[in-house]
Amino acid sequence: KAGVTQTPRYLIKTRGQQVTLSCSPISGHRSVSWYQQTPGQGLQFLFEYFSETQRNKGNFPGRFSGRQFSNSRSEMNVSTLELGDSALYLCASRTYQANEQFFGPGTRLTVL
Amino acid sequence: GQQVMQIPQYQHVQEGEDFTTYCNSSTTLSNIQWYKQRPGGHPVFLIQLVKSGEVKKQKRLTFQFGEAKKNSSLHITATQTTDVGTYFCAGPSRGKLIFGQGTTLQVKP
Repeated sequence: KAGVTQTPRYLIKTRGQQVTLSCSPISGHRSVSWYQQTPGQGLQFLFEYFSETQRNKGNFPGRFSGRQFSNSRSEMNVSTLELGDSALYLCASRTYQANEQFFGPGTRLTVL
Repeated sequence: GQQVMQIPQYQHVQEGEDFTTYCNSSTTLSNIQWYKQRPGGHPVFLIQLVKSGEVKKQKRLTFQFGEAKKNSSLHITATQTTDVGTYFCAGPSRGKLIFGQGTTLQVKP
């Protein structure tokens, strides 16, 4: 089985812009979660989607949003980018019955 | 909200020495998961512990879940350079997976 894929792998944006990140889960996995990883804050949960519905949400401002499509692919959007949004954004998929998360390689976002 | 703390934050060992990282949760956990992230890589699932007092082994790695299901540990016997990376514990809380800050292991050959 192919693993979780994320595009793009690297992104450079300027403050105030918006960005959309994409995640394709492992075939058959209907749950997709997004995490933000920074040196200072570690791995922080953003949100989880299952069957196109947001099931859980972390403590992030409304500038962070996401969605999931009928084929389980997911996108994450960040609007009005701030310098502090620079991070590695990781997507993880799982079957809803299991807890094990399979992470993608991440998108490295740099905000200048 | 729930917090998951890990210590130490960093550990440097000589190859062949043992290594242990500890994980403590502010609340009782239904399960605890461990992940490893190599430098420049992404977290990779290692194991899940569910039962109180559970001990699981994977070759040189030994994982324990405390009796009160609030703490856990990962012990590596006779470290190798391939063990380098950051080890995270993670526990579920209200549908979210809360990660500890991780312990970064450096191994000197």
